[in-house]
Amino acid sequence: TQLLEQSPQFLSIQEGENLTVYCNSSSVFSSLQWYRQEPGEGPVLLVTVVTGGEVKKLKRLTFQFGDARKDSSLHITAAQPGDTGLYLCAGPRAGGTSYGKLTFGQGTILTVHP
Amino acid sequence: DAGITQSPRHKVTETGTPVTLRCHQTENHRYMYWYRQDPGHGLRLIHYSYGVKDTDKGEVSDGYSVSRSKTEDFLLTLESATSSQTSVYFCAISKTGNQPQHFGDGTRLSIL
Repeated sequence: TQLLEQSPQFLSIQEGENLTVYCNSSSVFSSLQWYRQEPGEGPVLLVTVVTGGEVKKLKRLTFQFGDARKDSSLHITAAQPGDTGLYLCAGPRAGGTSYGKLTFGQGTILTVHP
Repeated sequence: DAGITQSPRHKVTETGTPVTLRCHQTENHRYMYWYRQDPGHGLRLIHYSYGVKDTDKGEVSDGYSVSRSKTEDFLLTLESATSSQTSVYFCAISKTGNQPQHFGDGTRLSIL
């Protein structure tokens, strides 16, 4: 079974602080996705990382895929209240035809206080 | 935004009653998925479909069945609802199995 462990589960910070969310597994993933979810809505894809060691930037968000493709991180610089939400990592299940089946981490609830 | 509509958005029902949730898409995507979201568990796949009348089980399929008689609709049925099925249910669609999934806004289901 491929599991994705996210840490921390909860993060409460002040506006302007930096933070990092981790997504770890003992299994190799062909790619990892990061989603952000706001209350009452479905998750929205932020980025997909595919290559080991890859770094992608989305404004103040930096995503990194581990060299061995077993882990990923999301770093937010100078967090703003608008960054508040649930952040989820997800990866496609391995073996045969995956049909796009995803394994999700438990999620990190981020609260940024003004 | 991807054209995905889930109905109902909220439902409260009693243990033992049948419940059907509907996911309707206007994107003509081949793949559709049902997930449930519970605190501390992220999203877990219940069932998925890779075409009309082509469905298969996910990781938490016990107590659930699905049907897809046309491309745009994917139904999730709880034959006899139990309190452990209280959750938020999300539908997702994908053009192909290798492309990102787009999610609906969820159905909050409470079983008393």
